[in-house]
Amino acid sequence: AQSVAQPEDQVNVAEGNPLTVKCTYSVSGNPYLFWYVQYPNRGLQFLLKYITGDNLVKGSYGFEAEFNKSQTSFHLKKPSALVSDSALYFCAVRDREYGGSQGNLIFGKGTKLSVKP
Amino acid sequence: EAEVAQSPRYKITEKSQAVAFWCDPISGHATLYWYRQILGQGPELLVQFQDESVVDDSQLPKDRFSAERLKGVDSTLKIQPAELGDSAMYLCASSFGADRLRYEQYFGPGTRLTVT
Repeated sequence: AQSVAQPEDQVNVAEGNPLTVKCTYSVSGNPYLFWYVQYPNRGLQFLLKYITGDNLVKGSYGFEAEFNKSQTSFHLKKPSALVSDSALYFCAVRDREYGGSQGNLIFGKGTKLSVKP
Repeated sequence: EAEVAQSPRYKITEKSQAVAFWCDPISGHATLYWYRQILGQGPELLVQFQDESVVDDSQLPKDRFSAERLKGVDSTLKIQPAELGDSAMYLCASSFGADRLRYEQYFGPGTRLTVT
């Protein structure tokens, strides 16, 4: 079975400070991992993905994520948060061994990021 | 920049009534997805189309939900009859192809359904 957990419902950060949004996953094989962001009244937007290779993945808007196989984690990070980063962030996983690259993504329940000035 | 269009944006209906949602994907996108997002949860795939054909509807409650994409372009998702538990955001997404590693999914703004 595949699953993804986002242990924090909300993360509060002051503008200019680094931010981390946590994600852990469970798959039977090796994972494909994704981060999406959802702004109010908008659809989800793709931020970044891990397929293979370098464990540190860089994405849109200055975000990056680090794949840690031993800890089964894929935490989203940004060195300096902006007020405009305030949104809902979703981690998603796909088991590489289950249906290949065309299979379904399993999404976490989301983490609300609030960046205060 | 091209976007996925959805209508209506908001829908309130009484239980046992029929309701329909419409999605117009980005031009040229062969793959279309319908997701349901219950408040406080992540999106769950309901149905996936490749052109006009359904390729995955394993999570679609077929006793009350139906989806079609007759000409392989726009799509309609219908619920009949609606139940209170159907209250959610219904998201449509499209991509150039079905390979999720190669082709990014682009999401529409969603239709928020409230069943009373």
